[in-house]
Amino acid sequence: GAVVSQHPSRVICKSGTSVKIECRSLDFQATTMFWYRQFPKQSLMLMATSNEGSKATYEQGVEKDKFLINHASLTLSTLTVTSAHPEDSSFYICSARNLAGGGYNEQFFGPGTRLTVL
Amino acid sequence: GNSVTQMEGPVTLSEEAFLTINCTYTATGYPSLFWYVQYPGEGLQLLLKATKADDKGSNKGFEATYRKETTSFHLEKGSVQVSDSAVYFCALSAMNSGNTPLVFGKGTRLSVIA
Repeated sequence: GAVVSQHPSRVICKSGTSVKIECRSLDFQATTMFWYRQFPKQSLMLMATSNEGSKATYEQGVEKDKFLINHASLTLSTLTVTSAHPEDSSFYICSARNLAGGGYNEQFFGPGTRLTVL
Repeated sequence: GNSVTQMEGPVTLSEEAFLTINCTYTATGYPSLFWYVQYPGEGLQLLLKATKADDKGSNKGFEATYRKETTSFHLEKGSVQVSDSAVYFCALSAMNSGNTPLVFGKGTRLSVIA
């Protein structure tokens, strides 16, 4: 099956620093990847749609200058949380769509990255 | 627009009890429907899916049938186990829609006690 990895799985950083999270599709190509944020005991909130070779599309209310997304290849998208603050602490999950997967738009999810900003 | 509504939890059941988690949707066209499961501290895993009306998705004893007439995709399991304790998300995706992401319900937390 299609596998999506995220790195790191956990990160703790000081307020004001930047953190990069990688999302990789390991055995398929993904022209589209999605970044979600999940608060404790809540559903996933879509942050942005990442398209290979073009700018990401951000959801309303998500600061694009704070959450930088780069999708430089068909297997890698990165989310950089710039100048992180404690309120950015959350569980970040990426997903990738396998365009070779047939007529339906199944997404494969990474295991998530727990970010804690002190 | 597209939306998913699922029953609010938490749901607490005894081991071997019957499980139903209701999910209804609103969508234009003919979406694909999914159930995802999230175990504590982990990402989402696809549990089952159905891509057209009357399809039944099944996996690990869980089942859900795509009912177009009632716009529903209820999740059922005949006998739950403690290991089924997790959060379950119902989701839909528009067919062949390019960059459209999944639309998720709010999730239902299931706790199974021995």
